[in-house]
Amino acid sequence: GESVGLHLPTLSVQEGDNSIINCAYSNSASDYFIWYKQESGKGPQFIIDIRSNMDKRQGQRVTVLLNKTVKHLSLQIAATQPGDSAVYFCAEKERSGSARQLTFGSGTQLTVLP
Amino acid sequence: GAGVSQSPRYKVAKRGQDVALRCDPISGHVSLFWYQQALGQGPEFLTYFQNEAQLDKSGLPSDRFFAERPEGSVSTLKIQRTQQEDSAVYLCASSLGTSGRKETQYFGPGTRLLVL
Repeated sequence: GESVGLHLPTLSVQEGDNSIINCAYSNSASDYFIWYKQESGKGPQFIIDIRSNMDKRQGQRVTVLLNKTVKHLSLQIAATQPGDSAVYFCAEKERSGSARQLTFGSGTQLTVLP
Repeated sequence: GAGVSQSPRYKVAKRGQDVALRCDPISGHVSLFWYQQALGQGPEFLTYFQNEAQLDKSGLPSDRFFAERPEGSVSTLKIQRTQQEDSAVYLCASSLGTSGRKETQYFGPGTRLLVL
C-alpha cells in the first residue's frame, strides 16, 4: 500500500554543521506535509509544515523542501545543536473530504556529535 | 498555554485486564486523534473525533479497542482484555480545526502501556 518512508534510519552530524533529513512519500493524494521531532519519552513536537502548493518553507533554523515531481520531502536544520538530537518524523495528510489523520514514516535518528 | 496532557504516563497491565487511557486536549480544540506507536516506529492512526462525534475509527485494531469523547473535550481510550501485542505508546493529539492553519496537530506526551 501507499506509505511515507525515510531514506536513512540514522544520521550523525557535527555540532554547528547543517543537517538534512530526507523523506519519500508515495501517496499522490497527499497535500499537507509536516515534520515532527520526538525526544525520548516525549510526544512528537511540531517543527514545520508545508502544503503541496509550495516548494519551500522556512522557519527558525529549519527549512522544508517539497519536490512533488519525485515525491520527496526534506528537512534542513542549520547550525545543528546538541538539543537537536532526536528522532525526526515526516508525516502526510491526504487531500480528502473525510480523512483527517496523519500518516507517519518510521523516523530518522539524528545524533549531534560534540 | 497548557498543551495536550495524558494520564497515566505509564501503565502496566496483566494480560486480560481492561485499561483506560485519558487525554485532555488543548482547550478549544475541536479535533482529537488517538495514535499508537510501537517501539522504533512512527505513530499509527487509531481514531478521530470532531467535538463529541467519532468520525473515523478505521485504525482501531480490534473490537477490544473503544474510544469516547462524550462532552467534546476529554477523551478516553479503553482497551478490553489486553493482549501483549497491545504494548505500545498511545499518543493523543488535538487540533484547533480541520482546515488550513487550524489543522496542525499537537501531541501529548503519550501513555506507555506494557502488558505482561
